[in-house]
Amino acid sequence: DAGVIQSPRHEVTEMGQEVTLRCKPISGHDYLFWYRQTMMRGLELLIYFNNNVPIDDSGMPEDRFSAKMPNASFSTLKIQPSEPRDSAVYFCASSLDSRGYTFGSGTRLTVV
Amino acid sequence: GEDVEQSLFLSVREGDSSVINCTYTDSSSTYLYWYKQEPGAGLQLLTYIFSNMDMKQDQRLTVLLNKKDKHLSLRIADTQTGDSAIYFCAEVPPSGYALNFGKGTSLLVTP
Repeated sequence: DAGVIQSPRHEVTEMGQEVTLRCKPISGHDYLFWYRQTMMRGLELLIYFNNNVPIDDSGMPEDRFSAKMPNASFSTLKIQPSEPRDSAVYFCASSLDSRGYTFGSGTRLTVV
Repeated sequence: GEDVEQSLFLSVREGDSSVINCTYTDSSSTYLYWYKQEPGAGLQLLTYIFSNMDMKQDQRLTVLLNKKDKHLSLRIADTQTGDSAIYFCAEVPPSGYALNFGKGTSLLVTP
């Protein structure tokens, strides 16, 4: 299995631009999570899905952030418009049950 | 909400044992986890323990769980320089399904 695949690995964009981060979970996993990691706040849960349905989006910072999961093998996290304070590493993870949460390698986002 | 608490730094000499401590928030959490993050990399699951266990051993790793005090520890025996990384404690509260992480403990292993 290739694991959880995230793209791009690095993204540098200008303030005000739209940014789309992508994630392919492990086949058969029915939960998908988006986390954000910063030095100040550590790892924060943004949103998670079960069977493609958003279950908890209380961690999404504001309306500039949106996430979708159109099918079991793909999810996107979109920021529009992006701001410098959105600079962070964004991780996607998937799981089948509580014993196995697998993380992707992350997308390092820099907004200048 | 409450935070999962970990000390921020630990430095040990190569060959010694390392003990990383964590206090979690919910005594009803079913599973507790230790993840490792190397520089520039994602999070790697090291081990997990089910809440009805007091101890779990996996090669050089020993996890101890004290449910009464909501305290979790990770012991790494014969610590090597390759063990230098950030170690995260995490729980899944019974109210949800997502991992709730501590801020991480940065382990430095010196020769």
